[in-house]
Amino acid sequence: AQSVTQLGSHVSVSEGALVLLRCNYSSSVPPYLFWYVQYPNQGLQLLLKYTSAATLVKGINGFEAEFKKSETSFHLTKPSAHMSDAAEYFCAVTHNTGGFKTIFGAGTRLFVKA
Amino acid sequence: NAGVTQTPKFQVLKTGQSMTLQCAQDMNHEYMSWYRQDPGMGLRLIHYSVGAGITDQGEVPNGYNVSRSTTEDFPLRLLSAAPSQTSVYFCASSQAGAVEAFFGQGTRLTVV
Repeated sequence: AQSVTQLGSHVSVSEGALVLLRCNYSSSVPPYLFWYVQYPNQGLQLLLKYTSAATLVKGINGFEAEFKKSETSFHLTKPSAHMSDAAEYFCAVTHNTGGFKTIFGAGTRLFVKA
Repeated sequence: NAGVTQTPKFQVLKTGQSMTLQCAQDMNHEYMSWYRQDPGMGLRLIHYSVGAGITDQGEVPNGYNVSRSTTEDFPLRLLSAAPSQTSVYFCASSQAGAVEAFFGQGTRLTVV
């Protein structure tokens, strides 16, 4: 069975500081991994995805994530936070193509302080 | 390009009422799914469809019905609403062979 654990329901950083959102997954088969972002009152938008190619994945808005099989982790980072990064972030895993059985983490709300 | 469109955006129901949440996509995606989002629980899969005429249950299917008569539409029906169904509902679609899903803007449902 697949599962996703996001460490920290809330993360607060200062503008310009490093953003690190943690995600660990469990999967019995090679996974596809995702980070989605949700702005208030909106749907989910794909930030980046890992599909067994390069282990360091770059996404939109300066975010990137590194797949570490030995640690079963897929942490999301951004070198310098911007006020517009304040949102909720979801890590997700699937092993099916088609995305219809994607399993989501509980989410991490990112606060950015001026 | 509309993508995935959900209607209505907001709805208040009384316990026991029925209603249908609409979802339509214009990307000719084969796969469609419904999720509910609750605080601290992420998104949980309710039902999904891999093509017209084919549906199956997800993690939390009880109290919901779906059908898929066309590629474009995937309505979610609540036959007898309960307060436990108060949630934000998201419809998603994806292309066969791809991995990521495209989400609608959500429907915020309150059952009183």
